[in-house]
Amino acid sequence: ETGVTQTPRHLVMGMTNKKSLKCEQHLGHNAMYWYKQSAKKPLELMFVYSLEERVENNSVPSRFSPECPNSSHLFLHLHTLQPEDSALYLCASSQEGGVVNEQFFGPGTRLTVL
Amino acid sequence: AQKITQTQPGMFVQEKEAVTLDCTYDTSDPSYGLFWYKQPSSGEMIFLIYQGSYDQQNATEGRYSLNFQKARKSANLVISASQLGDSAMYFCAMRPRDTGGFKTIFGAGTRLFVKA
Repeated sequence: ETGVTQTPRHLVMGMTNKKSLKCEQHLGHNAMYWYKQSAKKPLELMFVYSLEERVENNSVPSRFSPECPNSSHLFLHLHTLQPEDSALYLCASSQEGGVVNEQFFGPGTRLTVL
Repeated sequence: AQKITQTQPGMFVQEKEAVTLDCTYDTSDPSYGLFWYKQPSSGEMIFLIYQGSYDQQNATEGRYSLNFQKARKSANLVISASQLGDSAMYFCAMRPRDTGGFKTIFGAGTRLFVKA
């Protein structure tokens, strides 16, 4: 595996379900990110982890719960979601913070909440 | 306020011609990075090019170049010799230093259509 991988690629869940999104980076990076991409809206940063510590939390509802067990893995735990949470969820990694470090993105998980 | 503006929701270009995608930004931070990403229909965001706020020369990467005009706060992407595979969404993004360097602000994107 190379780059940033995400599983599952597609997920359909009911509002009472609990599911998790998984992201893994094979680049040796220290920072990992979760973004939400909704139709007709700019990419929204949800969470940032640097060296397994959360450094950014952009007023995300508590029904989204991130977990970063090590610098290569990032999870997004989902529970009691709403239909408006349907979106493409993108994971990214970068060498570290700083203005020069580009982010490498995974293919995303297309989430549909019924 | 820190903001990225992409005013072109959609653009058409003939194959083999050049196209410019517009991007303006707003920040009071003197140190920042500017990025362009491509997002094909598959969904993955692909990094294209980077320009630092203190860089004196415009960045180039193969067929991509960034027309950086600091005084006007613009960072337009130029794609030369367009190919059918260039059809995608293109996002301009900015990463200011004063956010700790972790927060990247994205524009709304421009959808590029390359015609054969």
